[in-house]
Amino acid sequence: GESVGLHLPTLSVQEGDNSIINCAYSNSASDYFIWYKQESGKGPQFIIDIRSNMDKRQGQRVTVLLNKTVKHLSLQIAATQPGDSAVYFCAENPLYNQGGKLIFGQGTELSVKP
Amino acid sequence: DVKVTQSSRYLVKRTGEKVFLECVQDMDHENMFWYRQDPGLGLRLIYFSYDVKMKEKGDIPEGYSVSREKKERFSLILESASTNQTSMYLCASSPPTDEQYFGPGTRLTVT
Repeated sequence: GESVGLHLPTLSVQEGDNSIINCAYSNSASDYFIWYKQESGKGPQFIIDIRSNMDKRQGQRVTVLLNKTVKHLSLQIAATQPGDSAVYFCAENPLYNQGGKLIFGQGTELSVKP
Repeated sequence: DVKVTQSSRYLVKRTGEKVFLECVQDMDHENMFWYRQDPGLGLRLIYFSYDVKMKEKGDIPEGYSVSREKKERFSLILESASTNQTSMYLCASSPPTDEQYFGPGTRLTVT
């Protein structure tokens, strides 16, 4: 079946280091991808998105890379801070989806050590 | 800013009770969604709606129903709550093809 999955369930980094969170997707028809951040006890928050006609998109301290050849998505966080500690989800929107349904990955928990 | 609000942050109900979870969005979005989130299982879609009075089953609709009488409001109903419906419930809304905006969640405990 189709799935959006994350390579690592947990990631621990030192404050100030860069973080890389990976996501593999299996649906080559997906044309839109999103990264969400979910802090403990809260709903997911949009971080950054990318469409399939792009390879890279940058935001504030975050960069998303899309490799369509190997169906891989990554989120890079520069100079990771304690406030970045959260669970990060990737999501994809296959072209065939009606009503904007997204397929979510399981999530990676990022832990930032001071 | 898009705002999605949910009627309760925490809710405790007894087995067999009828439970209503309300969700309101203020951005005139066509699509609205209800998910539940459980450890190790991620986000699972219960129901979604792409227009007023329209609803579609998601991946786990059993034991739930929904109502969308107005564009801004999407209600999730547990007809007879059971302990296996203890979970975090998340509502989201979106335009037709863009990202979903989530509410803060309702943590429901059924005893």
